[in-house]
Amino acid sequence: AQSVTQLDSHVSVSEGTPVLLRCNYSSSYSPSLFWYVQHPNKGLQLLLKYTSAATLVKGINGFEAEFKKSETSFHLTKPSAHMSDAAEYFCVVSDRGGGFKTIFGAGTRLFVKA
Amino acid sequence: EAQVTQNPRYLITVTGKKLTVTCSQNMNHEYMSWYRQDPGLGLRQIYYSMNVEVTDKGDVPEGYKVSRKEKRNFPLILESPSPNQTSLYFCASSFGGQGGNNYGYTFGSGTRLTVV
Repeated sequence: AQSVTQLDSHVSVSEGTPVLLRCNYSSSYSPSLFWYVQHPNKGLQLLLKYTSAATLVKGINGFEAEFKKSETSFHLTKPSAHMSDAAEYFCVVSDRGGGFKTIFGAGTRLFVKA
Repeated sequence: EAQVTQNPRYLITVTGKKLTVTCSQNMNHEYMSWYRQDPGLGLRQIYYSMNVEVTDKGDVPEGYKVSRKEKRNFPLILESPSPNQTSLYFCASSFGGQGGNNYGYTFGSGTRLTVV
């Protein structure tokens, strides 16, 4: 069975400082993992995805994530936060080859202070 | 422009009055899915479809129906809406590729449904 745990419901950083959003997952099969971003009153946008290629995945807007199988983690990072990064971020797991059942984490709200 | 289009964007209805939320994609994607988003719960999958005439239940299918008669369309039907179906709904589609891999969804803009 799949599950996703986003370890922080809220994260607050200052502009220009690093961002770390934590995600742990559980999957019975080889997982595909994703991060999506949702800006206020907007739809969801795919930031990056892991689908069994390189374990360090680079996404849009300077974000990246590292797949660590031993730790069952897929944390999202960015070296320097920008005000426009303030949004809600969702970690998502989908079993590869297992159809399209996907599980979303509960979300992490990122606040960026000037 | 490649997109997923949902209609309507906003809908207020009364308990028990059947409604349909339409979803259409222009990317020739095999996979389509419906989610509902509720505060503190993230997004929960209602139904998904791997191709025409192939649908399956997600985590919260009760009270909903779907159909996939054409590749581009995946309507969500509420036969008898109730207040606990008040939510923000998203349709999404994805290229499937070989082996049933999920390459990441493109989401519609959402439909905010209120059932009174």
